[in-house]
Amino acid sequence: GAVVSQHPSWVICKSGTSVKIECRSLDFQATTMFWYRQFPKQSLMLMATSNEGSKATYEQGVEKDKFLINHASLTLSTLTVTSAHPEDSSFYICSARDYNGNTEAFFGQGTRLTVV
Amino acid sequence: RKEVEQDPGPFNVPEGATVAFNCTYSNSASQSFFWYRQDCRKEPKLLMSVYSSGNEDGRFTAQLNRASQYISLLIRDSKLSDSATYLCVVKTPGAGSYQLTFGKGTKLSVIP
Repeated sequence: GAVVSQHPSWVICKSGTSVKIECRSLDFQATTMFWYRQFPKQSLMLMATSNEGSKATYEQGVEKDKFLINHASLTLSTLTVTSAHPEDSSFYICSARDYNGNTEAFFGQGTRLTVV
Repeated sequence: RKEVEQDPGPFNVPEGATVAFNCTYSNSASQSFFWYRQDCRKEPKLLMSVYSSGNEDGRFTAQLNRASQYISLLIRDSKLSDSATYLCVVKTPGAGSYQLTFGKGTKLSVIP
């Protein structure tokens, strides 16, 4: 199946700093990538849809100025958590879909962010 | 009513047992349905798609009832390695594309 690589897998940062998470599709072109957040014992919640070459579409309640998304190429999308606070600590997962007839989503390995 | 609802469990079953998970969805326009498996602190991975006629993959059987908006997953002869959280996922058309909605998941622990 298609491979999506996410980096870093975990990060600890100080409150007030910014953290960048990368999501790459390794063997297919992904015009659209998705960013999710998952708190403990909760479901994956879609944060935003990242479209190559255009602005991301954010879900209701997600601050676009806090969670900056850049999708500069067909294989790379980045999520930057700006001025992180402890309440931003969560598991962030990206996914990309292969539009060659497949409907399943391929997920990155996830990034566990801890803000101290 | 939540968009995708699952019994959170946990389900604690002995090896070799048969266990069934249920899921209901609220949007009747939903088109496709999946079961994903998520291990602790890992990303979800596709277990199987769910078809209207029902489908089986080894020890796993998935069924869909569109009229009742209900999906199920049956695991026979449980193995220790089946311990994980099982996510019910529903694909729903949206503006120009589609969206996947995830249930909270049902946790399964298979005990020796």
